Amino acid sequence: GQQVMQIPQYQHVQEGEDFTTYCNSSTTLSNIQWYKQRPGGHPVFLIQLVKSGEVKKQKRLTFQFGEAKKNSSLHITATQTTDVGTYFCAGGGTSYGKLTFGQGTILTVHP
Amino acid sequence: GAVVSQHPSWVICKSGTSVKIECRSLDFQATTMFWYRQFPKQSLMLMATSNEGSKATYEQGVEKDKFLINHASLTLSTLTVTSAHPEDSSFYICSALRPPFNEQFFGPGTRLTVL
Repeated sequence: GQQVMQIPQYQHVQEGEDFTTYCNSSTTLSNIQWYKQRPGGHPVFLIQLVKSGEVKKQKRLTFQFGEAKKNSSLHITATQTTDVGTYFCAGGGTSYGKLTFGQGTILTVHP
Repeated sequence: GAVVSQHPSWVICKSGTSVKIECRSLDFQATTMFWYRQFPKQSLMLMATSNEGSKATYEQGVEKDKFLINHASLTLSTLTVTSAHPEDSSFYICSALRPPFNEQFFGPGTRLTVL
């Protein structure tokens, strides 16, 4: 079945440093979605990428979808303490609406 | 973003009892909802796909007789954990698919503790 690998598992940064998390799928994806989960909370939808090579920005966050639609990345510029949480990528395959989640990257930001 | 609610937010029950969890899409209609399970510091594991008006589709390894899913309307899906045991203790999260772009919006989750 479809597998989505996400690295790194943990990332500790100083406030102001950049942060990147990467996802790789074993199969070509129809779309990829990114979520943020704060400790004790539930995943919150950030963005969906659909097109090959797509790049989208949300303020300090930059999302990329690879040309082959098998990998994706999330980059945060100049992290802030409010960025703390677990970032999940989730790949959509051939089954309608179903997502396969990556393992998540736990981001810690030291002030 | 869209709003999905879950009830209850937490529940403690005795081993052997059944627990029902409700998932509602409050501001859109969802023909498809999903149920996930999440263990501490782990990722979300898809349990089943809930389709309005038809039987749920369960992922491999998930017991359909233990985790009963009913999607009786376009805004409500329920998950019933039957004869719960301590190993069923977990964080259960539902999500609803919002058309037309199929973003998934998650409920706040239900923390189940089985004593």
